[in-house]
This record gives sequence, structure tokens and C-alpha cells, in this order.
Amino acid sequence: NAGVTQTPKFQVLKTGQSMTLQCAQDMNHNSMYWYRQDPGMGLRLIYYSASEGTTDKGEVPNGYNVSRLNKREFSLRLESAAPSQTSVYFCASSRQGGSNQPQHFGDGTRLSIL
Amino acid sequence: GESVGLHLPTLSVQEGDNSIINCAYSNSASDYFIWYKQESGKGPQFIIDIRSNMDKRQGQRVTVLLNKTVKHLSLQIAATQPGDSAVYFCAENLGDYKLSFGAGTTVTVRA
Repeated sequence: NAGVTQTPKFQVLKTGQSMTLQCAQDMNHNSMYWYRQDPGMGLRLIYYSASEGTTDKGEVPNGYNVSRLNKREFSLRLESAAPSQTSVYFCASSRQGGSNQPQHFGDGTRLSIL
Repeated sequence: GESVGLHLPTLSVQEGDNSIINCAYSNSASDYFIWYKQESGKGPQFIIDIRSNMDKRQGQRVTVLLNKTVKHLSLQIAATQPGDSAVYFCAENLGDYKLSFGAGTTVTVRA
């Protein structure tokens, strides 16, 4: 049982390039999330998808777009990468968001923007 | 600012001793809390959770205590092992599918 799988694990981009981060979960969870983690800042929510077909902004959505492709997959897109988007990106899922259920995380994508 | 924070950014503990990691939260309406462990190069791993109608919950070698009066949460790890070295985060359920995470406490286990 793989849980939450993120690809790629590492990526280096130049300023202005675009990229899509992929996430898939095999736990039949309804809700999925994208976070970024920066030193000293903890985890900050970028976007989330409460259920298939819905997406909503989190705390830091500017510069990002998301797509909930199906129940399993939730992608994060950077249309024009900026150095401030250098971070570690984590995808998470939960059985039913909005209720008291834990989120389960992937191992992250380490993204550097030059 | 963050509604959840940890008292100390680092904790050094002797192997075999018990560890206590503290967390303060500010939202008195929060009804659900989670502890995560994050090892280097990995994502946060769920350890244990607790709902606000409880003040204590035990897992395997871990205990979470919740004091709603002073808005304080702690994680106790019994007989700390080298594999327990990691960053530990508490998270608070803010509702609307949002968790608020603290910056974390780095636990180092001394042999």
C-alpha cells in the first residue's frame, strides 16, 4: 500500500518556466491538499480539494493552480516559476476533510527555482 | 500569525529516557489535534491524534495530553530510541478542511 505518492522528488527550474507536480493516493480518500514547507515557517496550505470536482484556496494560493483529475489524483501547477516558490511541496489526503480525520502525507517534491 | 506553536525548537534526550514535547495553541474553539513526526527527507508521518472531549490518549510508546484550560498539548515518548530522532509537529484543526501547524521541535537522541 503506497499511500500518497508524489512525483518528481526533485526538480530545478529557471525563473519563468512552468511545471506540474503530481500527486496520487491509493487510500480511497475524499479530500486532498497541497502544502509548502519553508524553514522556520511550518507547513502552509496552498490549495485543497474537499472532494472530487471541487478545489479551494488555502493560505498561500498566489502563483499556483490545481486540478483534481479524479478521486486519486491532485496536481499542482506553477505557471511561471519565481525564486520565492523555491520550497518543499507536500501533498496530503484525508478520508473526509472538515471532520476530525488525520491527513496523510507524501514524501514531498523539492523544488528549486533559479 | 500561527495559532499553534511549540515551546522549544530543540530537545536533546538520552536514549532510554522519556521525552516530553510541548505545544501551545491559541484557538479555544479547536476540537481536534494531531501530532506528526518528520524524518529528514520524508513527509510528516501521523503519530497520534486527540479530540477535545478527551484529555489523554495513549498509543504505542506515545501519550498525548490535552489541557484545554491553558490551551496546551504535549506528546510524551516513553523509552526514547535513536529512531525517534526527528522533527515533531503539532497541528490544530481550524475547520474548513484546514490544519494549522507549528514550526516544529527537533528531537535529538543521545546514545
